[in-house]
Amino acid sequence: QITLKESGPALVKPTQTLTLTCTFSGFSLSTSGLGVAWIRQPPGKALEWLGIIYWDDDKRYSPSLENRLTLTKDTSKNQVVLTMTSMYPVDTGTYYCAHENYGESSFNYWGQGTLVTVSS
Amino acid sequence: DIQMTQSPSSLSASVGDRITITCRASQNINSYLKTYLNWYQQKPGKAPRLLISATSSLQSGVPSRFSGSGSGTDFTLTISNLQPEDFATYYCQQSYTTPRTFGQGTKLEIK
Repeated sequence: QITLKESGPALVKPTQTLTLTCTFSGFSLSTSGLGVAWIRQPPGKALEWLGIIYWDDDKRYSPSLENRLTLTKDTSKNQVVLTMTSMYPVDTGTYYCAHENYGESSFNYWGQGTLVTVSS
Repeated sequence: DIQMTQSPSSLSASVGDRITITCRASQNINSYLKTYLNWYQQKPGKAPRLLISATSSLQSGVPSRFSGSGSGTDFTLTISNLQPEDFATYYCQQSYTTPRTFGQGTKLEIK
């Protein structure tokens, strides 16, 4: 059974750096073809893909965020870490990590999400 | 980036109705083997749930009243015989290339 869970601060001050951890089970990120993505959703708005890290450490980022976003993985701990610098109120939202299905590249498993509020 | 445009943005329907949601990609998202178009359902306060992958492949546990079709740039999600639990927001998403992109969502409400 595949599960994912996001953890990190609920409140971040403007200009600070956000660090979120996705801890997963039921699969290994050393398995060829797999990836873990981050997706966020501002309150009442649509889903926004942030980036993905693959089993071979290949990383892809949203062009609008690639100068602020870093994804890393710790395969031994079954964790993926998102680091986003220069947080502002517009970055407020629920942050999800998701397992990207090999082949179809759909997000077939999601974490429950964690709400991050950027406010002073 | 590939832009995904859904219509309508919102929709009112009754239990038992048949509805269709349209998703248009800004470029062809077919590959030699498949079309990389996925549909998700999201209920308030919950994570999205994958309903359909690769245009028409129903995920395990998803009722057969859900179906997907399309090719190239134009895709549809159809729900037949709407049930109370189907009232939610639906998103299409392309997985043809990165950045992955979602449609803006279609909110399905009870009439």
